[in-house]
Order: sequence, then structure tokens, then C-alpha cells
Amino acid sequence: AQSVTQLDSHVSVSEGTPVLLRCNYSSSYSPSLFWYVQHPNKGLQLLLKYTSAATLVKGINGFEAEFKKSETSFHLTKPSAHMSDAAEYFCVVSEGTGFQKLVFGTGTRLLVSP
Amino acid sequence: DAGVTQSPTHLIKTRGQQVTLRCSPKSGHDTVSWYQQALGQGPQFIFQYYEEEERQRGNFPDRFSGHQFPNYSSELNVNALLLGDSALYLCASSWRETGTQETQYFGPGTRLLVL
Repeated sequence: AQSVTQLDSHVSVSEGTPVLLRCNYSSSYSPSLFWYVQHPNKGLQLLLKYTSAATLVKGINGFEAEFKKSETSFHLTKPSAHMSDAAEYFCVVSEGTGFQKLVFGTGTRLLVSP
Repeated sequence: DAGVTQSPTHLIKTRGQQVTLRCSPKSGHDTVSWYQQALGQGPQFIFQYYEEEERQRGNFPDRFSGHQFPNYSSELNVNALLLGDSALYLCASSWRETGTQETQYFGPGTRLLVL
């Protein structure tokens, strides 16, 4: 079974500083990986996805992630944090070759201070 | 273009009761998946519907059942509610295209409280 591990439950940054949210995955074959964001009392919004094309994936709102097979990692980064980035972030792997289900990590809460 | 919609937004039930949650997929989507998100946790896959049939199921008891209608909308039913069923229930829709990785788009969720 595929799984993802989010290495930090909470990350605190100051506005304008870089963001790094860490994710490691476990997969028996080339996985499809996603990052979703969840703002308080809201549903999940797709930030970006990796599907074995370019290893550096650009998403919405200035976020990007790099797929590193040798390290089994898919870390999410942003050069400069904004107050509106404060939310819960989920690293997700897709499992299944036919009908696919999403397997979520436990989430990382990003706190952004002025 | 309407996204994924869910109803109701909030629901309060008592133990032993039954509940039905509803989901309308994003326009053009034909596959609906349901997830349960307990407080402080990541979503857990319940099941997925395509062509009105359950195609995959997660580790949830038979008290959880579903249905998909010809217009692709879906219902999630939970019988004999337990306190532990209190959670945010999320619906996600996608377009099943063989040979490609589907992207699932989520609705805002239904928050269920069981007393």
C-alpha cells in the first residue's frame, strides 16, 4: 500500500520568508502525488500535482514542489509567505491503477506571523 | 462553471439514527468519491462510484453505503450512527479517463455531529 508521511505537524514562518513543508512517500511504483490546501471551515483545494512528467511542479499561488525519487520526497515550497497562506496542507498519494483513491498524510498546519 | 456542491452544510443527529448526505459533481465529471475527515486528521477514503456502481471501498463498515444516480450525483448513507461518526464528510468528483491520472476536486463538505 502507498503512504505519505508529513514530517512536521506545524510550521511557523514570518510573512515574506520562505515556506518549506516536507513530505516523504512510500510507493512500490512511480506514484502520482498531490498537495492540497484546506483553509478553516473550507473544503480541499488542489495546489499542484505530479504525474511523472517534469519533476519540478508549479502550482497555484506561487507554490511549487519537487519530486525526488532518490529521496522519496515531494516537498512543497514557496519563496515568500503571505498571511493568506495560513492553512492546513496535505500531501497526498494516489493509489490504484484503475479506479484510484487518494491516501492523505496527517497534514501540516502553516502559521504565518506578520 | 459550478464546482462540487454538497448538502446539507451542517447536520446534527443522535446515536442510532440514520443520515443521508448529498453531492453534485463538477460539471463534466462522472466519478464521485467520498471521504471522512475526523477532527485534526487527514481525510480517509470511504468509497468511490462510477457508472452507478461502487468501484472501490476503504476500510469502513457496511453501515456506510452509497448510491450514484444517472446524472452522476451521489448520496452517502450512514446507518446506526455512532459518536465516532462525527466528522466532516467530503465529496470529490473527477473525470474517469483511462491511461491518465485523474484529479479529484473537492466540495466544501458536510459537517456531521452525532450526540
